[in-house]
This record gives sequence, structure tokens and C-alpha cells, in this order.
Amino acid sequence: AQTVTQSQPEMSVQEAETVTLSCTYDTSENNYYLFWYKQPPSRQMILVIRQEAYKQQNATENRFSVNFQKAAKSFSLKISDSQLGDTAMYFCAFSNTDKLIFGTGTRLQVFP
Amino acid sequence: SQTIHQWPATLVQPVGSPLSLECTVEGTSNPNLYWYRQAAGRGLQLLFYSVGIGQISSEVPQNLSASRPQDRQFILSSKKLLLSDSGFYLCAWSTQLAGAETQYFGPGTRLLVL
Repeated sequence: AQTVTQSQPEMSVQEAETVTLSCTYDTSENNYYLFWYKQPPSRQMILVIRQEAYKQQNATENRFSVNFQKAAKSFSLKISDSQLGDTAMYFCAFSNTDKLIFGTGTRLQVFP
Repeated sequence: SQTIHQWPATLVQPVGSPLSLECTVEGTSNPNLYWYRQAAGRGLQLLFYSVGIGQISSEVPQNLSASRPQDRQFILSSKKLLLSDSGFYLCAWSTQLAGAETQYFGPGTRLLVL
């Protein structure tokens, strides 16, 4: 069975700095998708970024980028120029079908 | 563009009372629909998913049930609520075309059972 592990329960960063959130996963599949979702205090889950496993190029979305290491089964999220609005829970997720498997989340606090 | 609605936003119910949470999707046809529960400070637990009208798969045995009476409507129900049913309930949808692996979430319903 696939599993997703986020080993950092909490992280903090100063505004305008860069922070990296870690995620590892376990699967025997070759084709799959990885995601980062953000859950702000409103608790709505917002898709931040997605990565197809068959693509070697790391996905980027504005200030958000990933470091996808397929052999190491690692999928970290880098947030550049952190903003106060980035304060949220961040969940890493895996899918190779139409179901998502979530990690336990990392709580990120951005300080002014 | 697609939008997903959930209501009510917040609900406080006594133990033993019934429950009905509703989720609707606009702007897409034949979506996959999902119900998740999130306990305070925890991750998401998939409860039910549906690939079509009347087609429901249950992931976790419990006193909850789900129904899909229309293509873009997904309902979560209970005949008798338990204290352990308290939590945050999220509905999500994905397309059945390419991209089915990407799910988009509604605003959620906060349920408190007293």
C-alpha cells in the first residue's frame, strides 16, 4: 500500500524568507501524481502544486516549487519570498488512481 | 469554471439526531465525488467516493452513509449521530477525464455533536 510521510509537524519562517517542507512517499508504482495542498485557517483545502511522476522537470507555480526526487521517493515544497498569507497547514498527497492518499501535514507559521 | 458548494457551513447536533450534509458541483458533468472527514489537528480520512449516480463506495465502516441522487449532488447522512462523528467534513470532486487524479475541495462543514 502507498504511504505518505511528512516528518515536520511544525515549521516557521520569517516573512520574505524561503522555507522547504519535506515529504516522502512509498509506492511500487511507476506512474503516479504528487500534490501539495494548503489548508489556511478557513480550513478549505487549496491545491498549491502538482507533479506528474513521468516528468523529470520540477513543477513551479509562482513562489511555489517542488524538488521531486523519484528514485529517493521525495517530494519537497519550497516557498520563496514567504508571505503572511502562506500561514497554513500544508498536506502532501499521492495518487495513482482516482483516490488521494494524504500525509499528516506540516503547520507553517510565517512571522513578520 | 467549476465551483463546489457545501452546506451547511456549521452544524451543532445532539447525539442520536440525524444528519444530512449536502455537496453540489457546478460547471462540470459526470464528476467523481468524494467525502472526507478531518478530526481536529489531523489529516484527511476518505469516507466515501462515487463515480456516478447511485454508485457509492465506502472506505471506512461507520454509522455514516452517502448517496448521489443526481449527477452533481452528493449527500452525507446519518440516522443517529455519535460524539465521535464530530469533525470537519470536506467534499471534493475530480474529472473522469484525464486529470482524474486531481481533486478540488469545497469549503467544508464543521460538525459538532454534543
